[in-house]
Amino acid sequence: AAGVIQSPRHLIKEKRETATLKCYPIPRHDTVYWYQQGPGQDPQFLISFYEKMQSDKGSIPDRFSAQQFSDYHSELNMSSLELGDSALYFCASSSRDRPNSPLHFGNGTRLTVT
Amino acid sequence: DAKTTQPPSMDCAEGRAANLPCNHSTISGNEYVYWYRQIHSQGPQYIIHGLKNNETNEMASLIITEDRKSSTLILPHATLRDTAVYYCIVRVWDSGGGADGLTFGKGTHLIIQP
Repeated sequence: AAGVIQSPRHLIKEKRETATLKCYPIPRHDTVYWYQQGPGQDPQFLISFYEKMQSDKGSIPDRFSAQQFSDYHSELNMSSLELGDSALYFCASSSRDRPNSPLHFGNGTRLTVT
Repeated sequence: DAKTTQPPSMDCAEGRAANLPCNHSTISGNEYVYWYRQIHSQGPQYIIHGLKNNETNEMASLIITEDRKSSTLILPHATLRDTAVYYCIVRVWDSGGGADGLTFGKGTHLIIQP
């Protein structure tokens, strides 16, 4: 079965640069979620989108923004990168048409800021 | 969402059943119990979820107490590949339009011993 696809798998950036992470949800899933997981930490919810509209917001820094497109894929844009932004970034998707639909996660993008 | 409490770590012998407990004493009537696991640096993997009845799928069984204040995830025949951090999460399903992200707690690091 098709899973959540994230790209790139690895990304290395320097401080103050920008980065864009992409997420392609499972087909027919209409909701995407972004999570950040720092070294030794648990995943932290950043933001979610449903039908291209922001649905819920967690601990996302103001330097980050995200959007969902008409094909349901999503992009997380990160500007003025800091060393502390080095982390695994996971995307998850679900379908609101299915009650209690679980989130399914991709294998993440590992961002290293130097 | 209600808070959950899990032991930080557990050991289990390969081939035996692994029983992972979770306390969620403040769970409300419309909150579901979800279980996920994360194998080192991979995306969290959905295992099972339930409301009040016991549930079973190809991966595991979920036993929820009658008062819903605690639950147990059972891996019937643990293998070395089941070594992971297991997260018990309670989540409100907002069928009216909310797309709540999952809130990860500390989880249980399950180590399967050969």
